[in-house]
Amino acid sequence: DQQVKQNSPSLSVQEGRISILNCDYTNSMFDYFLWYKKYPAEGPTFLISISSIKDKNEDGRFTVFLNKSAKHLSLHIVPSQPGDSAVYFCAASVGGSYIPTFGRGTSLIVHP
Amino acid sequence: EAGVTQFPSHSVIEKGQTVTLRCDPISGHDNLYWYRRVMGKEIKFLLHFVKESKQDESGMPNNRFLAERTGGTYSTLKVQPAELEDSGVYFCASSQAGSLEKLFFGSGTQLSVL
Repeated sequence: DQQVKQNSPSLSVQEGRISILNCDYTNSMFDYFLWYKKYPAEGPTFLISISSIKDKNEDGRFTVFLNKSAKHLSLHIVPSQPGDSAVYFCAASVGGSYIPTFGRGTSLIVHP
Repeated sequence: EAGVTQFPSHSVIEKGQTVTLRCDPISGHDNLYWYRRVMGKEIKFLLHFVKESKQDESGMPNNRFLAERTGGTYSTLKVQPAELEDSGVYFCASSQAGSLEKLFFGSGTQLSVL
């Protein structure tokens, strides 16, 4: 029973365009959300996070949007660069538990 | 500063054998986690240590898996006896006290059970 769902296993985008990666969750107790980025043969690295008290958090080219009523979040990368090609994992946690629950990941390919 | 180190990077064993994975967290990180990813699936939580104590081991699949963190430094995860379904990438992660959700991951151990 997946509590964090990334329904798109892959996404292909042209360099310079926007990449939008989506994530849905089922547990209404989740109140902290994170995105991790993973290159082949490496472990995931933290990218950006958002608390449930916000609906948007921005860090350079990366912006995460949270829609609590829809239990949906998205990661926007603008502009996309070939170096952004990686697997992106969405994760969520419940305050007090502090153990992130991860999705299956979306493989992003940015074409030059 | 050294990151999270895992050893070995790859392990190929036969069904019924024993394998021990090791994780060295970032120095000073009290929290240590083990996760596993089967190909194409989610990164699934196995257990969480705070220093040498098991805080949460609800994700451990069964009693063939044993994790230890003696002295609150490095951790080992032993699988005995290994089964085919144990194959996957085992990730270790660590975090500082008070920053639990932001984990620092190692590169993982790719375990193949034949």
